[in-house]
Amino acid sequence: DIVMTQSPDSLAVSLGERATINCKSSQSVFYSSNNMNYLAWYQQKPGQPPKLLIYWASTRESGVPDRFSGSGSGTDFTLSISSLQAEDVAVYYCHQYYSSPYTFGQGTKLEIK
Amino acid sequence: QVQLVQSGAEVKKPGASVRVSCTASGYTFSSYYIQWVRQAPGQGLEWMGKINPSGGITSYAQKFQGRVTMTRDTSTSTVHMDLSSLRFEDTAVYYCARGAALAGGSDYFDSWGQGTLVTVSS
Repeated sequence: DIVMTQSPDSLAVSLGERATINCKSSQSVFYSSNNMNYLAWYQQKPGQPPKLLIYWASTRESGVPDRFSGSGSGTDFTLSISSLQAEDVAVYYCHQYYSSPYTFGQGTKLEIK
Repeated sequence: QVQLVQSGAEVKKPGASVRVSCTASGYTFSSYYIQWVRQAPGQGLEWMGKINPSGGITSYAQKFQGRVTMTRDTSTSTVHMDLSSLRFEDTAVYYCARGAALAGGSDYFDSWGQGTLVTVSS
């Protein structure tokens, strides 16, 4: 199984500042035949299901604000929020869909400083 | 718009079985995989398996092999997830989610059900 490890476990950022969450996979999730990284990011607010933010490591889902961006390739990935808003307080998960069983990072809790 | 609506909360005793249902609307049901993911209280996300609603073919995580069964009813656009031999540690919120398009897509999960709390308690 591919193990997904996020860092940090929790993060406090001031409003308007940048937040950065890292995700590392135990093996590459890059598929050379189509040049794609099989990595997604989700946001989960309390009492709600996860919401897809980013797929293919850097493609923003329709309707997701452009302050959210994803980057990285192979085994190292980053989710960035360029200017933190109050509504961004949530837990964020990375997810590899490269191979079964699909696996998730342990989550990063983002709070306001 | 795509909607996945799940059945209500359940309380079960250890050793019993539970069925959680997920009814899809707003898209062609048979054209996308349905995935199941669970989340224990205060914990992260765990993938359980998926079903092809068109042919009914399933793929389960090794951890749940032998205990989980996923089926579909195309007449009602509903997928069922049955989990047997319940243990206390199966207490969790169970989510269905839409995955890859059968015509050629990949399994990121773009729409989720609201979740169903299954509590295993004696």
